[in-house]
Amino acid sequence: EPEVTQTPSHQVTQMGQEVILRCVPISNHLYFYWYRQILGQKVEFLVSFYNNEISEKSEIFDDQFSVERPDGSNFTLKIRSTKLEDSAMYFCASSPGLAVRNEQFFGPGTRLTVL
Amino acid sequence: ELKVEQNPLFLSMQEGKNYTIYCNYSTTSDRLYWYRQDPGKSLESLFVLLSNGAVKQEGRLMASLDTKARLSTLHITAAVHDLSATYFCAVDKRGGADGLTFGKGTHLIIQP
Repeated sequence: EPEVTQTPSHQVTQMGQEVILRCVPISNHLYFYWYRQILGQKVEFLVSFYNNEISEKSEIFDDQFSVERPDGSNFTLKIRSTKLEDSAMYFCASSPGLAVRNEQFFGPGTRLTVL
Repeated sequence: ELKVEQNPLFLSMQEGKNYTIYCNYSTTSDRLYWYRQDPGKSLESLFVLLSNGAVKQEGRLMASLDTKARLSTLHITAAVHDLSATYFCAVDKRGGADGLTFGKGTHLIIQP
């Protein structure tokens, strides 16, 4: 069964460093998403991406964040200068983009630890 | 701002019992999603509810949606230990392929 994959599974970085989190969405899906979950808290939407551009972003997704689809398969989230409060689990998701059904399929997540 | 509230946030119950988790949301939406998360794992899609009155069942779990009341329920029948997990409901605001707004989750522990 097709699934969303993410790498790395765990990333440790120093405050102020740049990190890139990688995702491979399900191959025939059209919409891609990033969410984060701070330990023990709810899942928070960051950004959605469609047709090579951002379609929606939340207040969390400020200038420190960017997304890219550099080729036909990868979808990346970059954090330019990490802060301690960026420590969280980051989930990538994708959906087929059907208008009547926005079921999103989540990857296994990347745990980001900022020291 | 769309708000999604779940209750209870924590539930400990014994095997064999029935219980219901409630999910209220603050804006008009016809689409509600239930996800399951095991500790340290990703989110697994359980149910997609697309219209008022929708009811879906899978094993011991049944989900329903009342869009007029802006309420969804997840009912657990004759709970078993394997259902221990955190359950999230989520709503999308406008239709299309928006980002989902999640509730805080219900941490469910089922004791043998």
